[in-house]
Amino acid sequence: DSGVTQTPKHLITATGQRVTLRCSPRSGDLSVYWYQQSLDQGLQFLIQYYNGEERAKGNILERFSAQQFPDLHSELNLSSLELGDSALYFCASSGGQGTIYFGEGSWLTVV
Amino acid sequence: SQELEQSPQSLIVQEGKNLTINCTSSKTLYGLYWYKQKYGEGLIFLMMLQKGGEEKSHEKITAKLDEKKQQSSLHITASQPSHAGIYLCGADRSKYNYGQNFVFGPGTRLSVLP
Repeated sequence: DSGVTQTPKHLITATGQRVTLRCSPRSGDLSVYWYQQSLDQGLQFLIQYYNGEERAKGNILERFSAQQFPDLHSELNLSSLELGDSALYFCASSGGQGTIYFGEGSWLTVV
Repeated sequence: SQELEQSPQSLIVQEGKNLTINCTSSKTLYGLYWYKQKYGEGLIFLMMLQKGGEEKSHEKITAKLDEKKQQSSLHITASQPSHAGIYLCGADRSKYNYGQNFVFGPGTRLSVLP
C-alpha cells in the first residue's frame, strides 16, 4: 500500500460526458501529480500541484483540469470525453525526499 | 524516441532463474527509480538511486546505477512467479524539480514460469 488513494477504481462513461477522479495523497505529502497511461503513449505527465497551487503542466488537454484542495486532496476533471481518453489515470504524491509514490489508478473507459 | 530505453522489451524465465533488466538514457539522470506494475494496477515503488555507482538491494532485487548516471540495471535473483509484472524505470531529468520532468521507460514485461 503506497498510501496514495484514488477513487473510483473503474469508471465507464459515454462520449461527451464529464467525470471527476479523486486522489488523496500520502499523509504529509504536499505535491500531487497526475499521469495518464494509455497503451500507445505509455505514462504521460499531466499536471502537478504543490500545496494547493499549480506547479507544472505537462501534456494536459484543455478539456481536462485539476485542482488541489486545502486538505491536499486533488481532483482531475475530464470533460467532453472522447474515446481516446480511455486510459488508466494515476495520481502520485511526494514529500520532501522526492520519491514519488503512486496510487493504484483509475480505469476510465469511454464508450 | 523514448528518453529512457529499456531492454529487453519482454522476458520469460523459468522460476528460480536470475534475470537482468536494463534502463538507459543518453542524458545524465538526477534520480533513477524502479517501479513494478501488475497489469492494470498501480505502480509499486521498488528503489531509487541517485549517486553514480550506487547499488541497492531489497529482498531478491538489486538495482545499480552506473558512474555516469546514464544506465541502470535491475537484477532479480532466483525469480518467483510473484516477480511477474511490468518493470518500469523512471527518472528525474532535472536536479530540482520532481514530477514534471519525470520520464518513464517503456517497461519490461516479465513472466515467470512455475
